[in-house]
Amino acid sequence: AQSVTQLDSQVPVFEEAPVELRCNYSSSVSVYLFWYVQYPNQGLQLLLKYLSGSTLVESINGFEAEFNKSQTSFHLRKPSVHISDTAEYFCAVINPFPSGGSNYKLTFGKGTLLTVNP
Amino acid sequence: DAGITQSPRYKITETGRQVTLMCHQTWSHSYMFWYRQDLGHGLRLIYYSAAADITDKGEVPDGYVVSRSKTENFPLTLESATRSQTSVYFCASSGDRVPYEQYFGPGTRLTVT
Repeated sequence: AQSVTQLDSQVPVFEEAPVELRCNYSSSVSVYLFWYVQYPNQGLQLLLKYLSGSTLVESINGFEAEFNKSQTSFHLRKPSVHISDTAEYFCAVINPFPSGGSNYKLTFGKGTLLTVNP
Repeated sequence: DAGITQSPRYKITETGRQVTLMCHQTWSHSYMFWYRQDLGHGLRLIYYSAAADITDKGEVPDGYVVSRSKTENFPLTLESATRSQTSVYFCASSGDRVPYEQYFGPGTRLTVT
């Protein structure tokens, strides 16, 4: 079984400031990791993912996340945020090779609400 | 339209009523999922399906029923709605080639009075 902890439920920042949203996970098997973003009154959109290879992954809108196996973390960062980045961000993990009666089930953290103020 | 759609987008119902939330995807994805989103809990899996006629329970299945007679549809039924089922419900799907990458619908906001 897996679990995900997002350490901050809310993160307020000013526009153009850097931000880090923290995510730690627990799993007895190797996992794939994801960040999803949810803009107000919308569904979840995949922001970026770590499957294997380079531990630093980037999104098209300037976010990046670094997989740290020793610390079981997958923190999300952006060097300079915009008002339009205001949204809720969810970290999630999945066992990519489920066995027996298991299936491809995402386990989500509780979310971090990023609010960017002018 | 291509993608994954949910209907209705908003629903108000009374305690004890049966209500069905619809989910439709046009990608022919094998895997489909129902989640509920509640403040302080994030997203929790209700039911999932690996293919037509194959469904299984997730983390919080009590009070819900699903069916999947066709690959593209995955309705979620609340047989006798309770106030604790007031929530936002999201449907998601993923394909065989990339089963770990799920795509989400826009959600249904359900209020049980």
